[in-house]
Amino acid sequence: EPEVTQTPSHQVTQMGQEVILRCVPISNHLYFYWYRQILGQKVEFLVSFYNNEISEKSEIFDDQFSVERPDGSNFTLKIRSTKLEDSAMYFCASSGTAGNTIYFGEGSWLTVV
Amino acid sequence: AQSVTQPDIHITVSEGASLELRCNYSYGATPYLFWYVQSPGQGLQLLLKYFSGDTLVQGIKGFEAEFKRSQSSFNLRKPSVHWSDAAEYFCAVGGVADYKLSFGAGTTVTVRA
Repeated sequence: EPEVTQTPSHQVTQMGQEVILRCVPISNHLYFYWYRQILGQKVEFLVSFYNNEISEKSEIFDDQFSVERPDGSNFTLKIRSTKLEDSAMYFCASSGTAGNTIYFGEGSWLTVV
Repeated sequence: AQSVTQPDIHITVSEGASLELRCNYSYGATPYLFWYVQSPGQGLQLLLKYFSGDTLVQGIKGFEAEFKRSQSSFNLRKPSVHWSDAAEYFCAVGGVADYKLSFGAGTTVTVRA
């Protein structure tokens, strides 16, 4: 069964450093997403991406964050100058169309120290 | 604005007993509804979804959910719980042409022998 894969599974970084989280969405999907789950809190939408541009973003997704599809298979989330409060599980997801079932990856745990 | 409420933060159930997890949603149009399960340290796995049609939907692992428009609810049920069902369960709402899902805070299920 096709799945969304994410790397790394866990990353520890120092405050102020840049982090890139990588994702390979399901191959025939066109919509890509990043969600975040701070420990003990609900899963929150960060951004959606379609046709090489951001289609929607939340208020969390400020200038510190950026997304990119550098090639035909990868989808990345870059966090510049990480802060302690960026520590969370980051989920990549994809769907065939907007409003269709969203499939999530296993997540990337980011710990900022 | 769309939102999901899961009134029960934590439920403890005996193995073999029935389980019902409550979900109430608020959505301005026809909702698409989802239940995801997250085992400790794992990603979000889709249990089932409702888009339209039969309001009782079957999912994986013996779960089912019933959509009740009049009550804005989408409760998840399982007739007989197994120890492996211990996890956190998230209800989510989206819609056609909607780029994002809104998640509830989750219900943690503990299964006792």
